[in-house]
Order: sequence, then C-alpha cells, then structure tokens
Amino acid sequence: DAKTTQPPSMDCAEGRAANLPCNHSTISGNEYVYWYRQIHSQGPQYIIHGLKNNETNEMASLIITEDRKSSTLILPHATLRDTAVYYCIVRATYGNKLVFGAGTILRVKS
Amino acid sequence: DTGVSQDPRHKITKRGQNVTFRCDPISEHNRLYWYRQTLGQGPEFLTYFQNEAQLEKSRLLSDRFSAERPKGSFSTLEIQRTEQGDSAMYLCASSLVLWGGVLTFGAGSRLTVL
Repeated sequence: DAKTTQPPSMDCAEGRAANLPCNHSTISGNEYVYWYRQIHSQGPQYIIHGLKNNETNEMASLIITEDRKSSTLILPHATLRDTAVYYCIVRATYGNKLVFGAGTILRVKS
Repeated sequence: DTGVSQDPRHKITKRGQNVTFRCDPISEHNRLYWYRQTLGQGPEFLTYFQNEAQLEKSRLLSDRFSAERPKGSFSTLEIQRTEQGDSAMYLCASSLVLWGGVLTFGAGSRLTVL
C-alpha cells in the first residue's frame, strides 16, 4: 500500500472549517484513501473513504485531487469534540489490513 | 448490536505473567483484527482473521503472542511471559470482507506490565 504524509499537528477555531491535508504521491489506480480519527482514550473511528471522486457524508467531506496524489479531509464546522488524531490511509481494493501512520493532531480551540 | 467489545479494559500484571484479552466483534463481521498502540504512535497491525482462519501475522508478533478465533466468532489474544515492553493498548477491530477498509474498533484493552 502507498505511503501517506500528513502534518504532525494543526489548530482550528471552533465553528470554522478544518482542512486536513494528506499526500499520497505513490498511490496506484486500485487504492482507496481512507480517513479515521482517534479521540483520546478511544479506538479509531472510521470517517470516510474515496477512490477518485469527492465524497461527503454526515461527518466530513473528502476532496481528492485529479491526479490522486493528495487529498483533503474537510470538517465543515469544527467543534471542540473534533479534537483528535486524524489518520489518512491508503489501501488497495482487495487489501488485507490498514496501516496507520502517526496522523495529524487536530486541536479545535474556542 | 453494541459494536466491538473488549475485555478487560485495563490489566496490570507483573513481568513474567501471562495475560489474555478477549474481543467480541460485530456479529455479522467475518474479519477480525488485532492492533497494538503505544503512547504517541498510531496503531500497529498485529494479526487478522477471516472467519476462523488467521490469514496474516505481523513480524511484531513474537512467539510469546498467540491469537485465536475459534468458530469464527470471538477472538483471544494471549501474551505469555509478559515484558515491560508489552505495555500498550491492544485494539480489536472487525469488518466485512466486502468493506474491508471500513473497520469498527473496540475501545481497547490497556496493559501495564510492572
């Protein structure tokens, strides 16, 4: 599975959009981009995933560039409860496991 | 369904003792994963099952570690002769094969080895 690169930390003001970037320049055609988050002392939580089209669900939006070498997770109106570590993971369609990196610590501040 | 359950949530043991963790996945999920997480790091993959078959084991999983999933339902992770370096959060997750990238994680079992 392709490797991902994320900034170690980011801050966001409460009520504003949080835009979390991820680089995956070696992604191949059959690999999906997954986003998870982990709130302190809890297990990781699935957020969203996509292949090449932009995706939106009740939690977030995922924007994937046309060349698929990077993506952005958007939390449209961040709240203090969105403070967490966010992981961007690339996984093949019929892959077997998720490989987590260090992720991005998002701090939402009032 | 109450999601993925792990037991115990916390375990404190002395070095050299054996410990066992249990995971009850979402009932219709046929894949079950074990991960280990230390402070400040992302979860590290240990092993996974599809039904009762253990399909992959990480090199992190030394001979002191063993996992089972009898009858393809709950799973156990046993650590023999624990060492202080085994202190970590042990996370279990489950998924459907069809949506193999969408994992549901449990809250984890925290192990402290004194």
